[in-house]
Amino acid sequence: AQTVTQSQPEMSVQEAETVTLSCTYDTSESDYYLFWYKQPPSRQMILVIRQEAYKQQNATENRFSVNFQKAAKSFSLKISDSQLGDAAMYFCVLGQGGSEKLVFGQGTKLTVNP
Amino acid sequence: DTEVTQTPKHLVMGMTNKKSLKCEQHMGHRAMYWYKQKAKKPPELMFVYSYEKLSINESVPSRFSPECPNSSLLNLHLHALQPEDSALYLCASTQDLYRRRGTEAFFGQGTRLTVV
Repeated sequence: AQTVTQSQPEMSVQEAETVTLSCTYDTSESDYYLFWYKQPPSRQMILVIRQEAYKQQNATENRFSVNFQKAAKSFSLKISDSQLGDAAMYFCVLGQGGSEKLVFGQGTKLTVNP
Repeated sequence: DTEVTQTPKHLVMGMTNKKSLKCEQHMGHRAMYWYKQKAKKPPELMFVYSYEKLSINESVPSRFSPECPNSSLLNLHLHALQPEDSALYLCASTQDLYRRRGTEAFFGQGTRLTVV
């Protein structure tokens, strides 16, 4: 079975500071990919960043970057220069190649303090 | 157009009512999903349609009835719901996962359903 674990139910960060959200996963598949999705109070789930398992290079998207440790099955998200608009629930998500199913972690609620 | 549009945004219904949720996308995606999300929890998969055919039903009670009339439209028909069915219902779509692996899912804003 595939599982995703986010061990931090809540995190907070000061505006302009850096924060790292943790995620570990478990899968027996070799073809998989990982996502971080953000769900603000507006409710819409928005993709933050994506990582294919076969790629060794860590993905980056502007202020968002990941630390993908394949052997350790770890996929953390780093948010630099945090902004008030970054406040949201963040979900770490595992997808399998050739499968329609996504496996969600329990989420981390991020608060950004001005 | 990279949007998934859901209507209505809010719905209050009685336990004897029949209502429908609607989801629409015009990105040419061929897989569409219904998720149920309770407060402070991750989404739970309910149904998946792939090429307009139901491919996954996660043992959802029959009071929820999905329908995919065409490749752009997904409906969820509701009948005789219970108060515990109150939740946020999210629709999502992806390109054909079997050909374009690793593609992201696009989500709608959801319908906040309250059953009274």
